[in-house]
Amino acid sequence: QLVLTQSPSASASLGASVKLTCTLSSGHSSYAIAWHQQQPDKGPRYLMKLNSDGSHSKGDGIPDRFSGSSSGAERYLTISSLQSEDEADYYCQTWGTGIQLFGGGTKLTVL
Amino acid sequence: EVQLLESGGGLVQPGGSLRLSCAASGFTFGSYAMSWVRQAPGKGLEWVSSISESGSSTYYADSVKGRSTISRDNSKNTLYLQMNSLRAEDTAVYYCAKFRNAMTTVTYFDYWGQGTLVTVSS
Repeated sequence: QLVLTQSPSASASLGASVKLTCTLSSGHSSYAIAWHQQQPDKGPRYLMKLNSDGSHSKGDGIPDRFSGSSSGAERYLTISSLQSEDEADYYCQTWGTGIQLFGGGTKLTVL
Repeated sequence: EVQLLESGGGLVQPGGSLRLSCAASGFTFGSYAMSWVRQAPGKGLEWVSSISESGSSTYYADSVKGRSTISRDNSKNTLYLQMNSLRAEDTAVYYCAKFRNAMTTVTYFDYWGQGTLVTVSS
């Protein structure tokens, strides 16, 4: 069964970097995912599509501070030079024929 | 600029019905599949339903199957979600979302609306 697993929370200091993880369930390590950001009281915003080989394509206007990488079944979102507006929930998404699936989300706190 | 504007949310009693709308602009609406995603208070994102660009194919999450109908009017650039037999657990913000690639639902979302709140309560 296809499942995306994310840690519920993460924190990092202003100006630092943080790496968020989305893990694909066993047997699905070749799947691509997409990362989305949801700031408080706003709709989600697409950040990037991330392939199993680590290649990624970002959405319109997404800063270079956001990057993606992959290792096996793990998909990473790295945010560098953290800013206060990066404090948000981050969701990974994958897809198939007639279905969309989200991870549980990671709440990022910028200290 | 792509814009998705949801409307139609509100307070409805258990067992009641509601129709949500999503007005789209800034892209060729009739070339892209669309979807509804919801978020219960304090919870994560949950996919609800998708529809192909022509409307000929529709897909539903088990949680709403048989109670909801997704549709679209390409002449009006508008997506709809008709929800019937509403339950307390349907209480959520409902977002419409655009698929990234034309002519397929086997892809991801690249634009989202701001959402409309549906509250099911007596």
